[in-house]
Amino acid sequence: DAGITQSPRHKVTETGTPVTLRCHQTENHRYMYWYRQDPGHGLRLIHYSYGVKDTDKGEVSDGYSVSRSKTEDFLLTLESATSSQTSVYFCAIRPGQQMVNYGYTFGSGTRLTVV
Amino acid sequence: GQQVMQIPQYQHVQEGEDFTTYCNSSTTLSNIQWYKQRPGGHPVFLIQLVKSGEVKKQKRLTFQFGEAKKNSSLHITATQTTDVGTYFCAWVDYGGSQGNLIFGKGTKLSVKP
Repeated sequence: DAGITQSPRHKVTETGTPVTLRCHQTENHRYMYWYRQDPGHGLRLIHYSYGVKDTDKGEVSDGYSVSRSKTEDFLLTLESATSSQTSVYFCAIRPGQQMVNYGYTFGSGTRLTVV
Repeated sequence: GQQVMQIPQYQHVQEGEDFTTYCNSSTTLSNIQWYKQRPGGHPVFLIQLVKSGEVKKQKRLTFQFGEAKKNSSLHITATQTTDVGTYFCAWVDYGGSQGNLIFGKGTKLSVKP
């Protein structure tokens, strides 16, 4: 969708290496999220941000860290990639809480393979 | 946290047949959202329901929120090949978690022409 982009779209990396995924939005939304999607598990929340430098853990945060130094950018870092982190990663944004009838907008995803 | 259970996991239909997916919670939900994800794509927001007994329609899609706000359904009339994908229900937790979206595991729909 227009307004949110993820990079890279695909990445293959070796076990033990650090990896950073980027999410960029042009909507000036306060809330940003990182999800991972795996067969049989649906989408699971990794970390989220409710403002610049305000982040918190989600359901599956172990092995991941995030940073948000600007409203438009939300970075997800795998400090030392493992094969269990092979997945498709989606970033999402949503309007502020006053716009409660709007859904989340997802990026196109990053397919990460750890070998 | 609150979980939403979605059934069935898979559904195979002949084009023109109807399709329904169900989403159930053990506790009352303040809202329910539905998303569609095409193969190889990303989830796309379809609709949000917030009122007890609410029914909304989008062309061949009918969305319902149960009277007790513990279940929801998505019904597609006369499926087409363009309906192929995975349909997710999700619940927005506006409580202590800043409005995080909690997903069901989805129903994967395949349509045979």
